[in-house]
Amino acid sequence: DARVTQTPRHKVTEMGQEVTMRCQPILGHNTVFWYRQTMMQGLELLAYFRNRAPLDDSGMPKDRFSAEMPDATLATLKIQPSEPRDSAVYFCASGLAPLGHNQPQHFGDGTRLSIL
Amino acid sequence: EDQVTQSPEALRLQEGESSSLNCSYTVSGLRGLFWYRQDPGKGPEFLFTLYSAGEEKEKERLKATLTKKESFLHITAPKPEDSATYLCAVRVQGAQKLVFGQGTRLTINP
Repeated sequence: DARVTQTPRHKVTEMGQEVTMRCQPILGHNTVFWYRQTMMQGLELLAYFRNRAPLDDSGMPKDRFSAEMPDATLATLKIQPSEPRDSAVYFCASGLAPLGHNQPQHFGDGTRLSIL
Repeated sequence: EDQVTQSPEALRLQEGESSSLNCSYTVSGLRGLFWYRQDPGKGPEFLFTLYSAGEEKEKERLKATLTKKESFLHITAPKPEDSATYLCAVRVQGAQKLVFGQGTRLTINP
């Protein structure tokens, strides 16, 4: 089965350090989503791309977060500088647009980020 | 504001004890309701899409139904391997993104 691949699976770093998370969407999918999951807030959408162009990043703290798609096989989410409140599990999902009612998003297994 | 509310937050059942999970939604225009299953340490795994009131989908011991205000995930004669968090999400008119509920953590005891 085709899968969304995320790296690293776990990251522990100190406050103030730069963090880069990577995502390889399912081949042929043209829409990529970044989510953050915490116990308190659940799954929150941070940003999404269609055909590598950012469509909505309103959920993302723009002073420290940035999301890019250098090419169709790679999406990145960067945090600089990182803060303890950024500790969460970050998920990438991909789908095939236009996302009609029968087109689901497929998720990777996430990056578990801990900022000390 | 588009909202999705799931209940209960947690549910513990005995193996074979059937029950239902609820997902209530308030959205401006529904363009699909999605059910996902999430196991610890894993990403959400797609189960069903429902689009119109009255629609039903089935997969093994799970059946999802949809009305104009809510969706139910019925689980019949569950087994311990059905233990997981079940997430409901909606796609609204004019948007590609999903709005998720907080999930129901289901535990099936042998």
